[in-house]
Amino acid sequence: DAGVTQSPTHLIKTRGQQVTLRCSPKSGHDTVSWYQQALGQGPQFIFQYYEEEERQRGNFPDRFSGHQFPNYSSELNVNALLLGDSALYLCASSLGVGEQFFGPGTRLTVL
Amino acid sequence: QKEVEQNSGPLSVPEGAIASLNCTYSDRGSQSFFWYRQYSGKSPELIMFIYSNGDKEDGRFTAQLNKASQYVSLLIRDSQPSDSATYLCAVSGAGSYQLTFGKGTKLSVIP
Repeated sequence: DAGVTQSPTHLIKTRGQQVTLRCSPKSGHDTVSWYQQALGQGPQFIFQYYEEEERQRGNFPDRFSGHQFPNYSSELNVNALLLGDSALYLCASSLGVGEQFFGPGTRLTVL
Repeated sequence: QKEVEQNSGPLSVPEGAIASLNCTYSDRGSQSFFWYRQYSGKSPELIMFIYSNGDKEDGRFTAQLNKASQYVSLLIRDSQPSDSATYLCAVSGAGSYQLTFGKGTKLSVIP
């Protein structure tokens, strides 16, 4: 039973660039949430996707956008990267509003 | 603004002792409570969840919830060096799909 997978593992970008992160949910799960975790902090909720729609959004600017595909996989896009966007980006999947299980994360470094 | 507070630690306990981790939350409407374990450089791993007042036991772990005091705790019995990690408390509320996390408590189990 495959767990949540994310790609890439690590990514280095420069300020102003755009990045796309990808997530495949755990088998049987239909909901994907994205979180940003800065060093020494707890994860911060970015948004959640269900039935290919953004169901809820946290306090993040419009530079952060996402998409969910019919197979429940999801992408997180960040435009106009800032130094402060450097963080671990975590994808969590769940069945509806059930418990959320995290993938291994993507470490983004913005130079 | 919904807040989740944890003592950042580090909390040091000898091997075999009971580790007690505490968490308070500000939103009285919170309904679901989770404990995640995060090893350094890794993603959070769900270890316990609790929805009702009282205690919930799973192996060496016991989660305790007191909604009147807005307090949730995690007890780890017979602590092992492999329990050394950061423990994140997360809360979700009625009508909300997001998890709100504390900053985590770093636990160190000394052999």
